[in-house]
Amino acid sequence: NAGVTQTPKFQVLKTGQSMTLQCAQDMNHNSMYWYRQDPGMGLRLIYYSASEGTTDKGEVPNGYNVSRLNKREFSLRLESAAPSQTSVYFCASSLRGQKEKLFFGSGTQLSVL
Amino acid sequence: GENVEQHPSTLSVQEGDSAVIKCTYSDSASNYFPWYKQELGKRPQLIIDIRSNVGEKKDQRIAVTLNKTAKHFSLHITETQPEDSAVYFCAATAGEAGANSKLTFGKGITLSVRP
Repeated sequence: NAGVTQTPKFQVLKTGQSMTLQCAQDMNHNSMYWYRQDPGMGLRLIYYSASEGTTDKGEVPNGYNVSRLNKREFSLRLESAAPSQTSVYFCASSLRGQKEKLFFGSGTQLSVL
Repeated sequence: GENVEQHPSTLSVQEGDSAVIKCTYSDSASNYFPWYKQELGKRPQLIIDIRSNVGEKKDQRIAVTLNKTAKHFSLHITETQPEDSAVYFCAATAGEAGANSKLTFGKGITLSVRP
């Protein structure tokens, strides 16, 4: 039981490049989330998926897209990376009826040059 | 929307002393308040939570108290140990169980425990 798995762990991009962050959970959770963490800013929600087939914007969605591929997988795509997207990205999941109890992945450290 | 603030932003205590971390929230409809601990380079992990129908909750050396009237809640750590050194995030949500609730996080407090 691996919990929430994110790939890659580290990534360096040039401005304008695109990439997809992958996330998978094996806990049969319904809801999945993408957060970004910046120094002094806490955890800010980018997008979330309450259940398979649905996605919604969070607090800071601009510059990102998401896909809930199936119940297990939720990916985050940067179409044209910008230096302002340099951050640590965390995927999380939660169980139906316990949407507040988040289980986080180990994070992806992304640098955009 | 909900606004969660944490005070202070950093806290340093001597090993064995107690630490208190405070958070305030703005939405009086918020009814669930978790605390997450993030050790350096690690993922955030839930350590304790409280619902609005409870005033205090304890789990070994940690406790959380809630004052709904003043809209603030606090994390109390007794007999601090070096492994308590971490960033602590408070959060709040007004969602009902099963509803599309989303957590709003504070900016985090860095706790340092001096040996």
